[in-house]
Amino acid sequence: SQTIHQWPATLVQPVGSPLSLECTVEGTSNPNLYWYRQAAGRGLQLLFYSVGIGQISSEVPQNLSASRPQDRQFILSSKKLLLSDSGFYLCAWSENSQETQYFGPGTRLLVL
Amino acid sequence: AQKVTQAQTEISVVEKEDVTLDCVYETRDTTYYLFWYKQPPSGELVFLIRRNSFDEQNEISGRYSWNFQKSTSSFNFTITASQVVDSAVYFCALSEVNAGNMLTFGGGTRLMVKP
Repeated sequence: SQTIHQWPATLVQPVGSPLSLECTVEGTSNPNLYWYRQAAGRGLQLLFYSVGIGQISSEVPQNLSASRPQDRQFILSSKKLLLSDSGFYLCAWSENSQETQYFGPGTRLLVL
Repeated sequence: AQKVTQAQTEISVVEKEDVTLDCVYETRDTTYYLFWYKQPPSGELVFLIRRNSFDEQNEISGRYSWNFQKSTSSFNFTITASQVVDSAVYFCALSEVNAGNMLTFGGGTRLMVKP
C-alpha cells in the first residue's frame, strides 16, 4: 500500500530564515504530487503541483518554491520566510490527474 | 470559475444525534468530481468519498451517507448517530476535468460532538 510522509512535523523559524519541507511517497511510481497551505481557521490553498521529476507548476505567486529532485520526493522551500508564511502545509499525492488525492500528516510552521 | 461553499462554519451536536453538513458547488463543466475529506485534530486530511458528476446515486457507508443532487448543485453529508470521534473539520471539494482536476476546497465545517 501507499504511504506519504512529511517532515518535520512542526517547525518554528524566525522571519528571514530559509525553509525546507520534505514530502516523500512510498508504494507508487511517478505520482502526481501537491503542496497545499492551510492558514489558521481557513481552507486549503493549492501552492504547487508536479506531474513528474523536475516538472513544477505554481498556482499562487509567493515567497515559496518547490522542487522534485526524485520521483517520489517533493520539497517546499523558501530563501527568506515571512510572517505570512505561517500555517499548516500539507503534501498530497495521486496516481494521476484523474484520481483522488491522498494527504500526508502535514507540517505546522510558525514564523516569528 | 469553480466555487465550493460550506455555509456552516461550525456545528455542535450531542452524541447520537444525526447531523448534516451542507456543500453547494458552482461549475460550468459537465464532467467533474466531488469529494469529502475529514480533518481530525491531528491535522491530516482523510479521504472519505469521491463522486463523479454522472453518478447521482446516494451512497451509504456505515453511519455516513451522501446526497448528491445536481438540480441544486449540492453534495451533502450526513452522519447518523454521531459519536465523539466524529469531531473534526470536514471539507467538501470539487475538481473539474477541464481544469486539470485540481481540487478546490470549501471553507470547511467544524463539527463538535459532545458526549
